[in-house]
Amino acid sequence: GENVEQHPSTLSVQEGDSAVIKCTYSDSASNYFPWYKQELGKRPQLIIDIRSNVGEKKDQRIAVTLNKTAKHFSLHITETQPEDSAVYFCAASLDGSARQLTFGSGTQLTVLP
Amino acid sequence: GAVVSQHPSWVICKSGTSVKIECRSLDFQATTMFWYRQFPKQSLMLMATSNEGSKATYEQGVEKDKFLINHASLTLSTLTVTSAHPEDSSFYICSATGTGVQTQYFGPGTRLLVL
Repeated sequence: GENVEQHPSTLSVQEGDSAVIKCTYSDSASNYFPWYKQELGKRPQLIIDIRSNVGEKKDQRIAVTLNKTAKHFSLHITETQPEDSAVYFCAASLDGSARQLTFGSGTQLTVLP
Repeated sequence: GAVVSQHPSWVICKSGTSVKIECRSLDFQATTMFWYRQFPKQSLMLMATSNEGSKATYEQGVEKDKFLINHASLTLSTLTVTSAHPEDSSFYICSATGTGVQTQYFGPGTRLLVL
C-alpha cells in the first residue's frame, strides 16, 4: 500500500518567516494530496489540496508544490503568524476522491512571536 | 463547506462498559465515513471505513467485534467501543465524504477516558 513520510516532525520559526513542510509518497499512482491543519484538541481541517495534474497551487499565504517524478510534495507558509501554530498533516490518495487517504506523521509548527 | 458533527465530545466510563459515538454529516450525503483513532502527538490511525448500507472494512489489527461500526443512513455512522478498557482511552475522530464532496471532512472528535 501507500506510504507517506513527513518531515520535519517539529518546526519552529519566527513570526513573519516562511515555513516549509515536506512529504514523500511511495505509490506513483497517487493522484490527490491534501494538507490538514489540526489545532490542539480539535478536528483536522483541510487547508489546501492539489491533484496530480497540477504542479503548484496557491491560496493567499499558503502554497503546495508537487513533484510527481520525485514523488514528493511540500507545504509552504509565508509570513507566518502565531495562529499558524498547529500540527500539519499531509496525505496522499490513490483514487482522487479522498476515499482512501494515507496520512503522514505530522509536523508540529510553532511560530514564535 | 461540508459539516460533520460528532457526539459526545467527551466521555468518561468505567472499565467493562460500552460506549457509543455518533458521527453525522449535516449538509451532505455521506456515502463513505471513516473512523480514526489518534493518540497524543501522533498521526491519525485509520480504524475502519464504512459505506452506507454495507459492512465496515476494518484495518489490519483492529478488532471488529470490539469496535462495532454501523452506517445505517447517508447522514449517520456510529462507533461502539464494547467492553472498554483503559487502553482504549484515546481521541476518536470520524470523517466523511460523499456526493458533491471532494475530500474528507472531519468531525470534532470524541475524547474517551476509560477508568
